[in-house]
Amino acid sequence: QKEVEQDPGPLSVPEGAIVSLNCTYSNSAFQYFMWYRQYSRKGPELLMYTYSSGNKEDGRFTAQVDKSSKYISLFIRDSQPSDSATYLCAMGDQGGKLIFGQGTELSVKP
Amino acid sequence: GAVVSQHPSRVICKSGTSVKIECRSLDFQATTMFWYRQFPKQSLMLMATSNEGSKATYEQGVEKDKFLINHASLTLSTLTVTSAHPEDSSFYICSARDGGNQETQYFGPGTRLLVL
Repeated sequence: QKEVEQDPGPLSVPEGAIVSLNCTYSNSAFQYFMWYRQYSRKGPELLMYTYSSGNKEDGRFTAQVDKSSKYISLFIRDSQPSDSATYLCAMGDQGGKLIFGQGTELSVKP
Repeated sequence: GAVVSQHPSRVICKSGTSVKIECRSLDFQATTMFWYRQFPKQSLMLMATSNEGSKATYEQGVEKDKFLINHASLTLSTLTVTSAHPEDSSFYICSARDGGNQETQYFGPGTRLLVL
């Protein structure tokens, strides 16, 4: 079993839809959780970063963490074609290394 | 946010040659940098952790004699792929950790290596 599981998609939605991206994990030592966006042939870009269970909002993006269920989500409201990218969840423990999910390929159609 | 650069962005080389990739943190000091490899449609796989002034720590299965890492200053780490072979063709990405925030990693734009 992988430490971090993420559905690779692809996920295709119409413009304006709400997108839900999810990851599950097995290592209870993970303390902080991140979402990165990666456009084709580019390095990942940090979108959201959170420590604790609950919700964190930043513009159209909401990150949700449920440590009891070992489940994290990223919601994108009013999705735009420019949101089309691969979204990677990542998790870290006190040691500082990040473990990444496989990434979900998202396509937002105009 | 913090900016990390990589050079070159793309390199094509013949089998058997060595290739050096540079990773620089442009507006912050990075005591720790990480090197990842990413194959198409796959996630980032950590290769090694590079600490300024000390030897790199390699992940299991990564050959330290093949992937030489040097972190000579707080803003520069280099990865040298020695005697590259076609199976080394991949997307190599570095990240740097801001000393003021021990958890957040900022990624470079990546280097695409093609070994013929």
